[in-house]
Amino acid sequence: GAGVSQSPSNKVTEKGKDVELRCDPISGHTALYWYRQSLGQGLEFLIYFQGNSAPDKSGLPSDRFSAERTGGSVSTLTIQRTQQEDSAVYLCASSLTPAGDTQYFGPGTRLTVL
Amino acid sequence: TQLLEQSPQFLSIQEGENLTVYCNSSSVFSSLQWYRQEPGEGPVLLVTVVTGGEVKKLKRLTFQFGDARKDSSLHITAAQPGDTGLYLCAGGSSGTYKYIFGTGTRLKVLA
Repeated sequence: GAGVSQSPSNKVTEKGKDVELRCDPISGHTALYWYRQSLGQGLEFLIYFQGNSAPDKSGLPSDRFSAERTGGSVSTLTIQRTQQEDSAVYLCASSLTPAGDTQYFGPGTRLTVL
Repeated sequence: TQLLEQSPQFLSIQEGENLTVYCNSSSVFSSLQWYRQEPGEGPVLLVTVVTGGEVKKLKRLTFQFGDARKDSSLHITAAQPGDTGLYLCAGGSSGTYKYIFGTGTRLKVLA
């Protein structure tokens, strides 16, 4: 079956512009995560969605970052007024159920802010 | 703040050699996962260990969870070029969905 997909795969933008990153989770997966990975480093948690519950936004680094999940499926991560330090790979993962279940990752979106 | 430190950060070895990667924390975790990530792809789960002292084997890979559930190791026997990648450990706490990821070990196996 189809895995987690993300688009675009690469995004180059100018400092100060807004960007939207999209994640299509595996069908039926109720939990969805966004992570940021800087230059081959470990993953930094950004935000978590579970069903209709309020998302856990505790990892968002600033108020320039926001995310939504529509209809319990597709999610969009928006970065406003991008800065050079936002350059990273943004990874999305989904899991069938919350706590403790296997996370399936998408290939990521590589964001470069010039 | 929970942190997971991995060592070494980088490792370059010849095909056929053995290696061990370590994942250490001062915090106790209820579960510990190991992932491998290849360039341009997301991490892929290799194993989850949940019991202190637990040992799991996956072909040439052996994973161990420390007795106190604060550390873990990954041992690869007779490494092959296909083992090349970024290895990440991730610690989970009981009843929560949030995993703390380690700093990563980048392994390169030369043919």
